[in-house]
Amino acid sequence: DQQVKQNSPSLSVQEGRISILNCDYTNSMFDYFLWYKKYPAEGPTFLISISSIKDKNEDGRFTVFLNKSAKHLSLHIVPSQPGDSAVYFCAASRYGGSQGNLIFGKGTKLSVKP
Amino acid sequence: EAGVAQSPRYKIIEKRQSVAFWCNPISGHATLYWYQQILGQGPKLLIQFQNNGVVDDSQLPKDRFSAERLKGVDSTLKIQPAKLEDSAVYLCASSLTGEGYGYTFGSGTRLTVV
Repeated sequence: DQQVKQNSPSLSVQEGRISILNCDYTNSMFDYFLWYKKYPAEGPTFLISISSIKDKNEDGRFTVFLNKSAKHLSLHIVPSQPGDSAVYFCAASRYGGSQGNLIFGKGTKLSVKP
Repeated sequence: EAGVAQSPRYKIIEKRQSVAFWCNPISGHATLYWYQQILGQGPKLLIQFQNNGVVDDSQLPKDRFSAERLKGVDSTLKIQPAKLEDSAVYLCASSLTGEGYGYTFGSGTRLTVV
């Protein structure tokens, strides 16, 4: 049973445009959500997170939106740059993120074309 | 700050053989995690240590997988005997405490079982 779903395996965007990566979850006990970015042959790196008490968190070019009623979150990258090309994983946690057992989605491969 | 070190980077073994992976976390990080990432999937937690004690090993296949963290620093993950379905990238991560947003991942060990 997949609790965190990323239904788009890949996304291609033109440089300078907006990239929108989507994530759905099924477990209503999740209260903390994170996005990780992964380059080939490297481990995932933390990108941005959001608590369930918020509906938006912004960090530079990256914004995460959370819709609790729809159990849906999205990552917006504006403007997209070629260096953003990577696999993006959505992850969810309980207990406000204070416990380390993250549940990951399968990832979305983003390609930003110059 | 040095990152999470893992070795080896790659390993190819035959089924039924044994294999061990090593992880050296960031200095001072009390919490250490081992994740398994099968191709096309997101990382899945195998085991979480807090110092040298096990916090969560509910998803560790204990009939063939074992892990230890001696002296609360380095950790080893062993598979004995290996099966074809164990082919995956094994990621080690560490954090100061148990928070999911504080993870730093290593580059992983890619295991191929033939």
